[in-house]
Amino acid sequence: ETGVTQTPRHLVMGMTNKKSLKCEQHLGHNAMYWYKQSAKKPLELMFVYNFKEQTENNSVPSRFSPECPNSSHLFLHLHTLQPEDSALYLCASSQIDRAGNQPQHFGDGTRLSIL
Amino acid sequence: DQQVKQNSPSLSVQEGRISILNCDYTNSMFDYFLWYKKYPAEGPTFLISISSIKDKNEDGRFTVFLNKSAKHLSLHIVPSQPGDSAVYFCAARAWEGGSEKLVFGKGTKLTVNP
Repeated sequence: ETGVTQTPRHLVMGMTNKKSLKCEQHLGHNAMYWYKQSAKKPLELMFVYNFKEQTENNSVPSRFSPECPNSSHLFLHLHTLQPEDSALYLCASSQIDRAGNQPQHFGDGTRLSIL
Repeated sequence: DQQVKQNSPSLSVQEGRISILNCDYTNSMFDYFLWYKKYPAEGPTFLISISSIKDKNEDGRFTVFLNKSAKHLSLHIVPSQPGDSAVYFCAARAWEGGSEKLVFGKGTKLTVNP
């Protein structure tokens, strides 16, 4: 599926580096999400943006900083990460409509390794 | 505490037979349930869903059943094909404020043997 594109696909960084993950959705959706998937754990929601406004933060450490400049783009800025932050980071988008049920669509993820 | 549980980490079935994947949940406020399929090195792909007001939804070879009283849902794949081999995630939706929140199970790895 090419509706949600994530770059880069793989990222290796040191604990003192600063990097950003990018997500772009081509589906015309009004909500975007960041998830984290660690080994042997379920996907965990990190951030939610509805209509470009952040509405959920699930107690994510401040070393992760999201940015949503418009309804099609979502970034996750990373700085001074820890080894336990190594994981697969997935972006998703959906059309929020409480009158109906629409699934979230996922990108292929960024595999992040912290040295 | 996990609100969505997939108690079988893996399942192996023969091609042509039925695959049944199970999922249990604890939160009665979940109003929408989804199944996603994931191949290695790819993101989860939406497969099928069901609203909490229904008990069955069918799409081709895939059928999802919901038993609200037991807080249990299952995905049936019949007939199973080798291309169905993947990790299957169950997810349930809750609303927090105006935001949709999906809670996922840990997944079940399905292997369909030719």
